[in-house]
Amino acid sequence: GIQVEQSPPDLILQEGANSTLRCNFSDSVNNLQWFHQNPWGQLINLFYIPSGTKQNGRLSATTVATERYSLLYISSSQTTDSGVYFCAVEWRYGGATNKLIFGTGTLLAVQP
Amino acid sequence: NAGVTQTPKFQVLKTGQSMTLQCAQDMNHEYMSWYRQDPGMGLRLIHYSVGAGITDQGEVPNGYNVSRSTTEDFPLRLLSAAPPQTSVYFCASSPEGTVSSYEQYFGPGTRLTVT
Repeated sequence: GIQVEQSPPDLILQEGANSTLRCNFSDSVNNLQWFHQNPWGQLINLFYIPSGTKQNGRLSATTVATERYSLLYISSSQTTDSGVYFCAVEWRYGGATNKLIFGTGTLLAVQP
Repeated sequence: NAGVTQTPKFQVLKTGQSMTLQCAQDMNHEYMSWYRQDPGMGLRLIHYSVGAGITDQGEVPNGYNVSRSTTEDFPLRLLSAAPPQTSVYFCASSPEGTVSSYEQYFGPGTRLTVT
């Protein structure tokens, strides 16, 4: 099956620092999403980004589908950015329906 | 819209007990799915449904049953709970019958402990 790898697995930042999270995938995918799981366990959609670049405030994401990777940029990090960041790829699994396959996540801790 | 709702938020079961995790969405989404999340791991797909009356297995279906009698509801049943089923369970939905090209929206999760 498809492999979805995220790096780094853990990251500690000082408030105000910038960071880049990476998601590599081993097969062609139809789409890709980035999620933030906050410390209370809630999964929040950040980006739906099959290709190209999108920006939302201090966050932006770039997906290069032909090279099988996506990047999530966090600028001027805040303590509320802490949590786990997941990428999930849409991949044909078994039958005709595509599935969302998750990476193992990047655990981010932003210190004041 | 309430979005995707799940009940209960927390549940403790003894080995061998059965229970149903409830999931509902009010966005008229065709596609619904159940995932489990274990410590240090991403989410893994248990079962999914592309519309009322249609369900299929995901990556880790053993020990779980689902049904989809209405567009709104997608309950997950544990027939005989076992400790390896201790996990956090998420329900998700998206607008289309396949997940292709549409965002998925997640519920708040159910934390299940089996002793």
